[in-house]
Amino acid sequence: GEDVEQSLFLSVREGDSSVINCTYTDSSSTYLYWYKQEPGAGLQLLTYIFSNMDMKQDQRLTVLLNKKDKHLSLRIADTQTGDSAIYFCAERPFSSGSARQLTFGSGTQLTVLP
Amino acid sequence: DGGITQSPKYLFRKEGQNVTLSCEQNLNHDAMYWYRQDPGQGLRLIYYSQIVNDFQKGDIAEGYSVSREKKESFPLTVTSAQKNPTAFYLCASSIVGSGNDEQFFGPGTRLTVL
Repeated sequence: GEDVEQSLFLSVREGDSSVINCTYTDSSSTYLYWYKQEPGAGLQLLTYIFSNMDMKQDQRLTVLLNKKDKHLSLRIADTQTGDSAIYFCAERPFSSGSARQLTFGSGTQLTVLP
Repeated sequence: DGGITQSPKYLFRKEGQNVTLSCEQNLNHDAMYWYRQDPGQGLRLIYYSQIVNDFQKGDIAEGYSVSREKKESFPLTVTSAQKNPTAFYLCASSIVGSGNDEQFFGPGTRLTVL
């Protein structure tokens, strides 16, 4: 079945860029998501990319996809203390007309140091 | 405001008791999902429902039950058969289609078994 891997922890200085990495195993066309979870809260969708794209940029967020290596990254420019949270990578196979479950990575705890 | 609500936010249960977690959405979404989150792990799917009166088991359905009598509601019962029920439970909903069916998450319920 599908598998999604992430490193557990990342620390950066305020103002620096953060890069959170993710690898996945599904070889079919797929949607890939980045979610943010603040302490004790639900998940908030940050951005997503379809597997026929290489890059997507949205304000401070840049998603890069290397389809050959099945590697996804999320870059946060000018990281702020409010960006401290757990970031989840998730994968969903493309399918029409049916609810499809997401496969989540274990989450990366991002700590932003002053 | 449209969204997903979960109640209660915190729930305590004695061993051997069943307990029901509430999830309601007013987004007019067809699909609803229940996930379990444990520390250092990604979200794991318990059950999902694509349409009223129909639901499917996810990866860790043992010890849980659900019902989908109304489009807006998808309650989860944690039964005494669930061996390790202490966890953070997240409900989500989405449309069902052929594109990016973004899952919207509720704020979660933290269940503690005493």
